This record gives sequence, C-alpha cells and structure tokens, in this order.
Amino acid sequence: EVQLVESGGDLVKPGGSLRLSCAASGFTFSNAWMTWVRQAPGKGLEWVGRIKIKIHGGTIDYAAPVKGRFTISRDDSKNTLYLQMNSLKTEDTAVYYCVAGLGASEYDSWGQGTLVTVSS
Amino acid sequence: DIVMTQTPLSSPVTLGQPASISCRSSQSLVSSDGNTYLNWLHQRPGQPPRLLIYKISNRFSGVPDRFSGSGAGTDFTLQISRVEAEDVGVYYCVQATQSPQTFGQGTKVEIK
Repeated sequence: EVQLVESGGDLVKPGGSLRLSCAASGFTFSNAWMTWVRQAPGKGLEWVGRIKIKIHGGTIDYAAPVKGRFTISRDDSKNTLYLQMNSLKTEDTAVYYCVAGLGASEYDSWGQGTLVTVSS
Repeated sequence: DIVMTQTPLSSPVTLGQPASISCRSSQSLVSSDGNTYLNWLHQRPGQPPRLLIYKISNRFSGVPDRFSGSGAGTDFTLQISRVEAEDVGVYYCVQATQSPQTFGQGTKVEIK
C-alpha cells in the first residue's frame, strides 16, 4: 500500500524557517516524481514545486511565490522528500501536501498533509 | 502562467442526476510530446485530494465508471453520470503540461 506521511508542520514567526519531511513507502520512491502542493485555510490548491527523478536529471521547479525561499530535495536512500522553507511569510500559512507521481500522472497519491502556520 | 478557469464554482445536484464541470485553460495544454496533461481531482471535506482522471479522459485506479473526462486543447469537461452521496466535495482541474503547474479555482458539488 502506498503511504506518504508528512511531518514538521508547526507554528512559526514571520521570517522564520521550517523543514517539512515526507516519508514514503509502498512504492519505489527513486522512480517517482514528487510534488509539494499547499492549501491555505478555506482556499483552493496551489502548486509549490516538483522534483524529478535522478535519471530525468533531478530537475526541480518552483512556483514564483516560493522561489528563492523554499528548497525541495529528496533522499532516495531514506525514501524521504523534503521542503526547506526559509523567510516564511504569513501568506505561507497552509496545509502542505506531499504528492507522488507513480506512472499515471504527477498527482497519483497524496499524503494527509501537515499544517504550517506563520504568525507573530 | 496558464490560467485554469472552472465553471460553475458551485453545483447543487440531485442524487441520481448527472453533473458536469467545465475547465478552460488560457492556452493549449498539448505538450511537445503530444500528450495533454489535464487531470481532475476530488477533495472531500477534511480529506486530501485524490486523483480521478488523468490526461483528459483516463480514469485512475479504483475510480467508478460514472466519472468521465473529455475535451481537447483548451476546453475540458468532467461528467458524473449519476451523482451519489459520496461525490460531494470540491473538484479541481490541474494542468501539468507547463511549469508552474496550475489549478482551477475548484467547483463545490453538494446535494440539493
């Protein structure tokens, strides 16, 4: 069974940093393009960024609002995806979902999400 | 960036009746590889989204056949042939043809 478990969400002050993790199991992690999607309270879905697999160059793309502040990485030996978030703003408050592309699309399987609250 | 526009934003439906959601993109979603990376997601209240349809019209594993997708280029449609109670929630289209990937605003389906 495919499982994606996010962790690391917390309350942080504006300007602060946080690192989210996503532990994957039930599939070959090193073969999956991985994506972060966020959802602000009561709002729609917003793409944060995506990391390809190594044989596809490991290319990483980011949404404009987070580029230069957020960094996506992966550790295939640990089956874990990361999202390093720096210089956090109040508008980054959201539930952050880890999403795996397993062959059909880039949105095949979703974690339960982890809540990040940026507030003074 | 490609803008995805869904209509309607709210859809009250009667159980057993059909429902239809439209998604229009600001530019063609046909990729250089010939595929059109237009997907449909469903999010029930309090739950993460789940994939329903990928590449316009392909039902994902486990998705009931009352769900179907169609369209081409810039105009796409998700249809539910007979709405069931478990179909309530918000439906999103999302394009993965071009970065940044972009979502529609979401269409809330509720039972009348």
